[in-house]
Amino acid sequence: EDKVVQSPLSLVVHEGDTVTLNCSYEVTNFRSLLWYKQEKKAPTFLFMLTSSGIEKKSGRLSSILDKKELFSILNITATQTGDSAVYLCAATNSGYSTLTFGKGTMLLVSP
Amino acid sequence: NAGVMQNPRHLVRRRGQEARLRCSPVKGHSHVYWYRQLPEEGLKFMVYLQKENIIDESGMPKERFSAEFPKEGPSILRIQQVVRGDSAAYFCASSPGQSVDTQYFGPGTRLTVL
Repeated sequence: EDKVVQSPLSLVVHEGDTVTLNCSYEVTNFRSLLWYKQEKKAPTFLFMLTSSGIEKKSGRLSSILDKKELFSILNITATQTGDSAVYLCAATNSGYSTLTFGKGTMLLVSP
Repeated sequence: NAGVMQNPRHLVRRRGQEARLRCSPVKGHSHVYWYRQLPEEGLKFMVYLQKENIIDESGMPKERFSAEFPKEGPSILRIQQVVRGDSAAYFCASSPGQSVDTQYFGPGTRLTVL
């Protein structure tokens, strides 16, 4: 059975700190890894990674994939209170476009 | 542009009743996915549908659960004879094709079974 594991499960930081969220996966015929941000409603798409070693960036967020070690990290620099959310990692295989999700990391950024 | 719409946002049912959850995909999207999020758990895939067809229902319980996506109208996830363990948030996502980076999620329906 495909599996995605995220760590830590929760994290509290101060505004301005840098955080690193981890995601490891065991997926048969792995195809891609995705990160989502979930506030009190719909998960919103952040990144999709398919190749090792290529960093994707969007503002203060960046992510990278290591297909040899089967993990990905999501970095957030200069955190703001608006970054408080649950960050979800998901993986797909070469079959249909269904996502296997981790349990998420709950990030709380305090002022 | 309207995103994925789900209704109701909150649904309360007593054990043994039926629950019907609706999902209207983004206009022009013909692929719909249903996920369930149990307390303290991640989202789990349930079923993948295209218009009038179920493509993959491997994540959906064999009994009491059914899903459809008719030619006209929203996708429906139906849970018959609900039990307390069905209490969860049910999310729908849609995409224009089989491309996960364009899979847009709705706000979810929170089902509570008393």
